[in-house]
Amino acid sequence: EVHLVESGGGLVQPGGSLRLSCVASGFTFRNFWMSWVRQAPGKGLEWVANIKQDGSEKYYVDSVKGRFTISRDNARNLLYLQMNSLRAEDTAVYYCARGEVFCSGGICYYDIFDHWGQGTLVTVSS
Amino acid sequence: IQLTQSPSSLSASVGDRVTITCRASQGISSYLAWYQQKPGKAPKLLIYIASTLQSGVPSRFSGSGSGTDFTLTISSLQPEDFATYYCQQLHSYPLTFGGGTKVEIK
Repeated sequence: EVHLVESGGGLVQPGGSLRLSCVASGFTFRNFWMSWVRQAPGKGLEWVANIKQDGSEKYYVDSVKGRFTISRDNARNLLYLQMNSLRAEDTAVYYCARGEVFCSGGICYYDIFDHWGQGTLVTVSS
Repeated sequence: IQLTQSPSSLSASVGDRVTITCRASQGISSYLAWYQQKPGKAPKLLIYIASTLQSGVPSRFSGSGSGTDFTLTISSLQPEDFATYYCQQLHSYPLTFGGGTKVEIK
């Protein structure tokens, strides 16, 4: 059974840093793109970043570019999100999600989030 | 690519047919997925490639559409379906979600 478990959230002051981790089990981690998705309190979902299987490609939403870094350790089945220069608007529950690929009619569709962790809360406040 | 869901909330009764729409700001072919989220829980994948039902999801859920206009339909609302529903485009980066539709009990 697929499991994703996030950790590392907490209270941090504006301008501070935090590193989130997500440990994966129940599937071959190195075969999948992985993403971070966040949800501010009472708000909708926002995709943050993703990383290719071997770490060679990474994409970010504009609001975190230059501040957040996604990385992975395939030997330990771990996904990370290093968050620097944190702002109040980064306050959210952060989910890691597996990006499945489905192919149909000769076209492959990436970044379909078929498994999610339970989330870890990051609060940025003084 | 912006996704606009409507309505943002709705009230319905058990057994009702419910339809939620998602409009993309540009054509995304069938690069769309739907998720269900219950309070305090992670989202759950319902439908992908606009109309393909995820394994284990009840057949009362269906999706349709292509290009810019998409629909999620629940044919007969069940008590466990009261939740918030989100569409997501996977056509291009940055990946984006719709604002959500909260389905409440009438």
